[in-house]
Amino acid sequence: EAGVAQSPRYKIIEKRQSVAFWCNPISGHATLYWYQQILGQGPKLLIQFQNNGVVDDSQLPKDRFSAERLKGVDSTLKIQPAKLEDSAVYLCASSYHSGNTIYFGEGSWLTVV
Amino acid sequence: KQEVTQIPAALSVPEGENLVLNCSFTDSAIYNLQWFRQDPGKGLTSLLLIQSSQREQTSGRLNASLDKSSGRSTLYIAASQPGDSATYLCAVRPRNYGQNFVFGPGTRLSVLP
Repeated sequence: EAGVAQSPRYKIIEKRQSVAFWCNPISGHATLYWYQQILGQGPKLLIQFQNNGVVDDSQLPKDRFSAERLKGVDSTLKIQPAKLEDSAVYLCASSYHSGNTIYFGEGSWLTVV
Repeated sequence: KQEVTQIPAALSVPEGENLVLNCSFTDSAIYNLQWFRQDPGKGLTSLLLIQSSQREQTSGRLNASLDKSSGRSTLYIAASQPGDSATYLCAVRPRNYGQNFVFGPGTRLSVLP
């Protein structure tokens, strides 16, 4: 069974530029999560989708971050404009449904300079 | 608001030792608790999931226990090996806050050959 796929793995951008990350969850998983992990800390949930609907985006900085999962399968997370403090690993995860074991991708490493 | 802490932040042990990692959470109203392993530059790998009605789960050399009333979980690793070196994170899914995982900061484990 294929795992959660993410791209790109690494990205370096200048502040005020934009960046987009893509995630393809495990086939059949209805719930998709985007987490932000700053070095030395645990992951922090940015947004949770159930199929193509948003369940929780309370910690998403909506003035600069956006995410979509239009067809209820893959998802895109965008940051525009980026700030230095956005440097982190962006982890995508999925689960069969909310409450089950969640499976993580390898992450997209963002450095903002 | 649910908060998760992990002590110690870092741990070094010689190969072959049995060890215990600790996780504490502030609100005992949880749905489940999950332990993860994170290798440098990688995403999180699920190790064990304990439902709120369970006391422990075992997988190979790993045993996780849950004491909801005291807000604690432990991860026991038997006969540690250098390949166990990684960061171990626990995550709690609260019953009352949209059912999204709250992560601890992790314990960085080094097993010395």
